[in-house]
Amino acid sequence: SAVISQKPSRDICQRGTSLTIQCQVDSQVTMMFWYRQQPGQSLTLIATANQGSEATYESGFVIDKFPISRPNLTFSTLTVSNMSPEDSSIYLCSVEGDREGGYGYTFGSGTRLTVV
Amino acid sequence: AQRVTQPEKLLSVFKGAPVELKCNYSYSGSPELFWYVQYSRQRLQLLLRHISRESIKGFTADLNKGETSFHLKKPFAQEEDSAMYYCALTGTGGGNKLTFGTGTQLKVEL
Repeated sequence: SAVISQKPSRDICQRGTSLTIQCQVDSQVTMMFWYRQQPGQSLTLIATANQGSEATYESGFVIDKFPISRPNLTFSTLTVSNMSPEDSSIYLCSVEGDREGGYGYTFGSGTRLTVV
Repeated sequence: AQRVTQPEKLLSVFKGAPVELKCNYSYSGSPELFWYVQYSRQRLQLLLRHISRESIKGFTADLNKGETSFHLKKPFAQEEDSAMYYCALTGTGGGNKLTFGTGTQLKVEL
């Protein structure tokens, strides 16, 4: 299965600032997914990032708040803009594995963001 | 709309006792179901998927389309099974988003 490197692993940020999270995959993948896991809650999909096209955002998430880049088939970034304490969460990237190989979806180790 | 329901936030069992983590789903098409596990301080990892019909770490899960369920079972719980378990669903065919349940914290007591 794919190996994902995500950074930073954690950060403490001031409100009103922005943080960019990077996700690097060791193989080429068509789609990359960005999730948010708020404290004590499950994972919620923010957006799907395809190389060469704009990301597709889920209901409740907008590009101005969570701009995404996908410059090639192995890399993506998610920016959390104009942060407020409500943005304090774990952010994870994910890729779809080889279905025939039974790998399912693989996740990065997550970025734990605290906004103060 | 696709939805995954895990009714129990916390399940506490004794070591050696059987375990069943419940998962029900709602999906209009043909779903693919997964169980993910997150051990303390580790990343989320795939435990098993219904297509492969395999047993991982003694866990099994059978997709019951009639009851729209995908319960996770293990006959004898081990202390190292203590973790957060998430049931997840996607559509078949690739390129579909993964929808997660709210998770069940399994605690295996000695």
